[in-house]
Amino acid sequence: AQKITQTQPGMFVQEKEAVTLDCTYDTSDQSYGLFWYKQPSSGEMIFLIYQGSYDEQNATEGRYSLNFQKARKSANLVISASQLGDSAMYFCAMNFYSSASKIIFGSGTRLSIRP
Amino acid sequence: AAGVIQSPRHLIKEKRETATLKCYPIPRHDTVYWYQQGPGQDPQFLISFYEKMQSDKGSIPDRFSAQQFSDYHSELNMSSLELGDSALYFCASSLGRGLAGDSYNEQFFGPGTRLTVL
Repeated sequence: AQKITQTQPGMFVQEKEAVTLDCTYDTSDQSYGLFWYKQPSSGEMIFLIYQGSYDEQNATEGRYSLNFQKARKSANLVISASQLGDSAMYFCAMNFYSSASKIIFGSGTRLSIRP
Repeated sequence: AAGVIQSPRHLIKEKRETATLKCYPIPRHDTVYWYQQGPGQDPQFLISFYEKMQSDKGSIPDRFSAQQFSDYHSELNMSSLELGDSALYFCASSLGRGLAGDSYNEQFFGPGTRLTVL
């Protein structure tokens, strides 16, 4: 079965600190894509970063980086120098070759940044 | 940069009424996906289209139907609305079918349509 697990329902972090959001997945597919999305209280789903299963280098986008450990089936999101505007719900998500690319989401982590 | 456009942004309907949600993908994107996010839930995949043909189907009720038109925009039609249909409905688009593992796999979401059924 294909499953994504985010074990941190909520996190509090001090402004300017780095934060790591955990994500593990379970699949027998060899071809898959990993995503992180940010959902502020306003509701929109903001794409942050993507990593393909065949990508050997960890993806980076500005302050966001994806720590991809294929053997451990983990895809943690690292946010460097957190800002107050980073407070939001963060979803780890995946799609799989065998599922015709529809995205499956984890349960999310609510990140709160303290000033 | 142009993003995915959804209309309307908010919709209030009575039980048993019908609703039509519209999605305009990013220019040149040929694949559209629909997701439903209930209160406090993660988004759930409903249906997708690639080149105007249904590509995949998820947990979409029989009361719902969708299609993709020649200009690649898509519409989600919902009939006999129930209280449980109240949710945030997202449309996402990508270039190509976005087969997993492909570097052009990113799906970009629209702002969502918040449907409230009274």
